[in-house]
Amino acid sequence: KAGVTQTPRYLIKTRGQQVTLSCSPISGHRSVSWYQQTPGQGLQFLFEYFSETQRNKGNFPGRFSGRQFSNSRSEMNVSTLELGDSALYLCASSIQGYGETQYFGPGTRLLVL
Amino acid sequence: SQQGEEDPQALSIQEGENATMNCSYKTSINNLQWYRQNSGRGLVHLILIRSNEREKHSGRLRVTLDTSKKSSSLLITASRAADTASYFCATAPGDGGTSYGKLTFGQGTILTVHP
Repeated sequence: KAGVTQTPRYLIKTRGQQVTLSCSPISGHRSVSWYQQTPGQGLQFLFEYFSETQRNKGNFPGRFSGRQFSNSRSEMNVSTLELGDSALYLCASSIQGYGETQYFGPGTRLLVL
Repeated sequence: SQQGEEDPQALSIQEGENATMNCSYKTSINNLQWYRQNSGRGLVHLILIRSNEREKHSGRLRVTLDTSKKSSSLLITASRAADTASYFCATAPGDGGTSYGKLTFGQGTILTVHP
């Protein structure tokens, strides 16, 4: 099976702009989780989607949002970008999202100038 | 916030030596997982140990779990230069399945294996 894919791989934006990142899970996986990784805060959970519904959300401001489509592909959006949003954004898929193994994509590296 | 604390933060060894990394966590868990990350790329799952298990092996990996001490260790035997990476423990909470899709990661251990 093909692994988790994320697009784009690299992105440079300026403060105030918005960005949309995309994630395609492994075929048959219905749960998609998103994480933000920074040197200071490490890996932090953003949110999880299953069957087009957000079931769980981390402690991030409302500028961070996401959605999931009927084919389980997911997008996350960050509006009004801030310098602190510069990070590696990782998505991970799993079959049901009940604490089982997660399979990660290569990540999208976002730089906000 | 990160639940897990890992130590050491960095570990440097020679090829052929064993590497041991430790992880502590704070709340009840369903399982604990270990992941590897090479140079800021995606994470690769290594091994999962359930809360009712004490030890698990996979190839050169050995994981132990002590739920009374809320701690786990990862042992990599006969290390190779290709094992150079960051290693993270991650916990799936034992809250009856309501924390959907959420793993809580430790800060990680940077392992360098010198040829």
